[in-house]
Amino acid sequence: GENVGLHLPTLSVQEGDNSIINCAYSNSASDYFIWYKQESGKGPQFIIDIRSNMDKRQGQRVTVLLNKTVKHLSLQIAATQPGDSAVYFCADPTGGGNKLTFGTGTQLKVEL
Amino acid sequence: ETGVTQSPTHLIKTRGQQVTLRCSSQSGHNTVSWYQQALGQGPQFIFQYYREEENGRGNFPPRFSGLQFPNYSSELNVNALELDDSALYLCASSRQGAVTNYGYTFGSGTRLTVV
Repeated sequence: GENVGLHLPTLSVQEGDNSIINCAYSNSASDYFIWYKQESGKGPQFIIDIRSNMDKRQGQRVTVLLNKTVKHLSLQIAATQPGDSAVYFCADPTGGGNKLTFGTGTQLKVEL
Repeated sequence: ETGVTQSPTHLIKTRGQQVTLRCSSQSGHNTVSWYQQALGQGPQFIFQYYREEENGRGNFPPRFSGLQFPNYSSELNVNALELDDSALYLCASSRQGAVTNYGYTFGSGTRLTVV
């Protein structure tokens, strides 16, 4: 089965609120995770990544948290904006090389 | 620096037909990976090409095949199309060995509809 999976298919938030998107993985050997944003009609776009030797990494308005104990990671988006509306995926290069395994994704809807 | 370009953007085919999708890799990238993304799902790895040879394959039947050319561009061919082949086909280019995302760029995809 897939190594990564998402808890919720759809998340609706008010503009300005913080968003939290969750992802679970099953392979304890996974040591690198990537979050992607996919807008309608476009390919996945890199947001932020994290290695297993870290439990937190921050970017611009985004933070990824990694809990290796429960094999869970989350993407936090601060002050969510309408332009953040998209499907968000976590991905794991379990196949080695440059091959990625994606979860199903979470649709983030930002309400004005 | 140009990104990954795919053609065509949309395509409608009849069940049983064959289709060829094309991908031009980003400048400096020598590896091309293809993914199938069904509606409401995450992308699924089909295969990867490096040095004009298949370098890894996902759980897809042999009627999915590919090519990579000396300029690193690539084609995805699907024979005997089935209705379930309807999906967004994504191409991603990278540099072999670049396991971080900084070297992994997706195109906007080809939307294939099989009727």
